[in-house]
Amino acid sequence: QVQLVQSGAEVKKPGASVKVSCKASGYTFTTYGISWVRQAPGQGLEWLGWSRPYNGNTNYAQKVQGRVTMTTDTSTSTAYVELWGLRYDDTAVYYCAREGVLAFDIWGQGTMVTVSS
Amino acid sequence: QSALTQPPSASGSRGQSVTISCTGTSSDVGGYNYVSWYQQHPGKAPKLMIYEVTKRPSGVPDRFSASKSGNTASLTVSGLQAEDEADYYCSSYAGGNNWVFGGGTELTVL
Repeated sequence: QVQLVQSGAEVKKPGASVKVSCKASGYTFTTYGISWVRQAPGQGLEWLGWSRPYNGNTNYAQKVQGRVTMTTDTSTSTAYVELWGLRYDDTAVYYCAREGVLAFDIWGQGTMVTVSS
Repeated sequence: QSALTQPPSASGSRGQSVTISCTGTSSDVGGYNYVSWYQQHPGKAPKLMIYEVTKRPSGVPDRFSASKSGNTASLTVSGLQAEDEADYYCSSYAGGNNWVFGGGTELTVL
C-alpha cells in the first residue's frame, strides 16, 4: 500500500543539526512532491516547505529559510529534511506528507525531534 | 504567512451537526480553491478529509462536507459519532508555492 515511513526519534543539543528521512513506497516517487510539516508539543501544524523529486526543486517557509534543506534521493525513493542551528523551539514532531490532489494525502508516522541541553 | 484562523474548540452531541470555520485572506483561502481539511487523533498523524474545498477522498464518510465563501472555509460534520472527536485543521495554498495551516479546532462529541 502507499505509505511514507520516517526515521526514528532524535535528541539534539542547541546549535546542532538533525536530518530526518522519509521513505516512500507503493507509488511512483517522482510523480508527487513531498512537503514537511511540524507540530510542536500541544500546538498546531506548521508547513515548513516542499521538495519535488522529479526536478529537485524546493521551496521553504520564511520562518526556516536559511536553516533548512530538503532533498530527495530517487534511487531509494527517500526524502530528507535537514535543519541546523537547532533551537529549543524546534522541538516538535516532524511529518513528511505527499502532495497529491493539491493537498497532503499521505502522511508519514512522524519523527519526534527534541532539542535539549 | 499568518496561520489561518480557526475556533480553538467546537462541540456537539452524538447525532447532531457541527460546523468549524477557517478564515484567511484573499491571498490564501479566498484566492484559491485549494482548501483542505485534516483530522488528527491524539498521537496520530493527520488524515486528509477534504481537498479542493469540497471533495472527499475515497473512504471518508459523506457525513463530512465542506464549503467556502469569500475568505472563509467551513467543515461540517453531520450525524456526529464518538470517533469524530479529534483535532481538525484547515490548510490552504497561499501562492508563491507556499501552504498555510489553521491553528486547529478541538472537536468534542458530547
